[in-house]
Amino acid sequence: SQELEQSPQSLIVQEGKNLTINCTSSKTLYGLYWYKQKYGEGLIFLMMLQKGGEEKSHEKITAKLDEKKQQSSLHITASQPSHAGIYLCGADPYSGGGADGLTFGKGTHLIIQP
Amino acid sequence: GAGVSQSPSNKVTEKGKDVELRCDPISGHTALYWYRQSLGQGLEFLIYFQGNSAPDKSGLPSDRFSAERTGGSVSTLTIQRTQQEDSAVYLCASSLIGLAGADTQYFGPGTRLTVL
Repeated sequence: SQELEQSPQSLIVQEGKNLTINCTSSKTLYGLYWYKQKYGEGLIFLMMLQKGGEEKSHEKITAKLDEKKQQSSLHITASQPSHAGIYLCGADPYSGGGADGLTFGKGTHLIIQP
Repeated sequence: GAGVSQSPSNKVTEKGKDVELRCDPISGHTALYWYRQSLGQGLEFLIYFQGNSAPDKSGLPSDRFSAERTGGSVSTLTIQRTQQEDSAVYLCASSLIGLAGADTQYFGPGTRLTVL
């Protein structure tokens, strides 16, 4: 089965600093999703990456999928208190048609210090 | 609706009681998923519905868990004879077509279940 490892597990960053979160898969990623979760709330969809080398940005968050499609990174520029939360990467375990539940990493807990 | 809704938001029950959790997916979404999130286990996939088709139940943790989806829309997750280890946040998600690697799952706010 596919496993996703996220690093770091937790991160404390001073407001205004940049940061990077990594997600590494034991198998080829056919769809890689980044979500953000605030404590006690559901998951908020951030971005989906499908193609090797793909990069997407939204506001100050950029996500990349490497060429071999086994690693993704999430980069936040000039962090703000609103970026605090738990970041989760999720992956589809299969290629092609049909769907199944996503496999998720354990999450990265991000704290922004003012 | 505008997003996935779940009810109740919180449920406290006594060990041995049955509970029913409800999920209302985004209008028009054919695929619906249930997950469980507990401390130390992370997010765990439970079951998936595509329209009205019979789901694959192999991800359910025990035979005390069952789920149904009526009319291709609302879904209920039922836990019979609840145990303390069932305490977790139960999350529901829906997606437009349920196509692996090309379809985004949108999550509801979850139901926090506490079994005393």
